[in-house]
Amino acid sequence: DTGVSQDPRHKITKRGQNVTFRCDPISEHNRLYWYRQTLGQGPEFLTYFQNEAQLEKSRLLSDRFSAERPKGSFSTLEIQRTEQGDSAMYLCASETGIQETQYFGPGTRLLVL
Amino acid sequence: SQQGEEDPQALSIQEGENATMNCSYKTSINNLQWYRQNSGRGLVHLILIRSNEREKHSGRLRVTLDTSKKSSSLLITASRAADTASYFCATLNTGTASKLTFGTGTRLQVTL
Repeated sequence: DTGVSQDPRHKITKRGQNVTFRCDPISEHNRLYWYRQTLGQGPEFLTYFQNEAQLEKSRLLSDRFSAERPKGSFSTLEIQRTEQGDSAMYLCASETGIQETQYFGPGTRLLVL
Repeated sequence: SQQGEEDPQALSIQEGENATMNCSYKTSINNLQWYRQNSGRGLVHLILIRSNEREKHSGRLRVTLDTSKKSSSLLITASRAADTASYFCATLNTGTASKLTFGTGTRLQVTL
């Protein structure tokens, strides 16, 4: 399968715990995006990378959130001290970098109890 | 924040009928893309239309774009039960790098 993959697909955690999600983009896609989607809403942009450089972060990305793409391939999104309001679907997408189609992964659904 | 809205919010039709969904947005765009999302799953890209295009077809899908009205429509012809999903429009806004701004979605239900 050469699509975007995300791991884990589901995560249940207790408030205050840290969680980390992984995204593997389509091979050779330079740009990688993270979005968050809450129930009944469209996805909202969080951050994106051009190769290993993080070029933009949304105001939604509080200090508790950090994202990395260390070698310009896979990316991780970490949430520290999770809150119930962090419960959402976290979606990753990749793109060749020429303002074309973004291909999305299946998402990681996070539930914070 | 959401770019705009899809209309209607929900649509229920019978198999074989056509489904039309509309999307409005607020700022100038480079392109507009439509995605489908089955319940609780990731987004599947359907079609991309650029700001200098007015209409585009892909299989049973027809998309129009009216930049003067800042609106787009997605037509699914001869709908099937498998088309049941949420449909989102997403805009690539001018001057905002490559991040997509999504609408609120239309939930389509196709019954047998």
